Amino acid sequence: NAGVTQTPKFQVLKTGQSMTLQCAQDMNHEYMSWYRQDPGMGLRLIHYSVGAGITDQGEVPNGYNVSRSTTEDFPLRLLSAAPSQTSVYFCASSTRTSRQTQYFGPGTRLLVL
Amino acid sequence: AQSVTQPDIHITVSEGASLELRCNYSYGATPYLFWYVQSPGQGLQLLLKYFSGDTLVQGIKGFEAEFKRSQSSFNLRKPSVHWSDAAEYFCAVGLSNFGNEKLTFGTGTRLTIIP
Repeated sequence: NAGVTQTPKFQVLKTGQSMTLQCAQDMNHEYMSWYRQDPGMGLRLIHYSVGAGITDQGEVPNGYNVSRSTTEDFPLRLLSAAPSQTSVYFCASSTRTSRQTQYFGPGTRLLVL
Repeated sequence: AQSVTQPDIHITVSEGASLELRCNYSYGATPYLFWYVQSPGQGLQLLLKYFSGDTLVQGIKGFEAEFKRSQSSFNLRKPSVHWSDAAEYFCAVGLSNFGNEKLTFGTGTRLTIIP
């Protein structure tokens, strides 16, 4: 198993550009989540999904869209990038079974100029 | 809403010395608690977790943590640190419904090891 994979590893955008951060997992996990990590602020939940076709907002959802058309994929879309979205983005997944833990991808580092 | 506090932003210890990283949580019900470690430029790796039962939990790499409900704490300990332990450590709390789809993280503690 590859686990949780994220692409790209690094991206530079200009203000106002759009892009999609890709996340995929091959563990048949029902739950998937997106976090952003900023210095001194830990990780904050952006959006999460408890299964295909079901998504919900986390702590900092503004400026981001998600969809979950398949169990494997959970892309994060920035429709109009802003410098405040410069961050490191982590995708995570876990099973629906109680008391399971989240597995994290390697992260995508995004710089918005 | 749940919250997690890691009061120490940065800790420096000598190689071979003991380590304790503090974590306090705020949550109305029984929490699910986690410690993750992040090496520079890497993702997060789970060190250990607490769901219920024995309040002293053992993890990977020689780490352990103790859940103290009366103090709302889940401190991470290691009796003797190695240079490879230098990293950032995050405490997290999950909702007790399933505990795994929404995690709230602390702000992290950066650990430096000196020879």
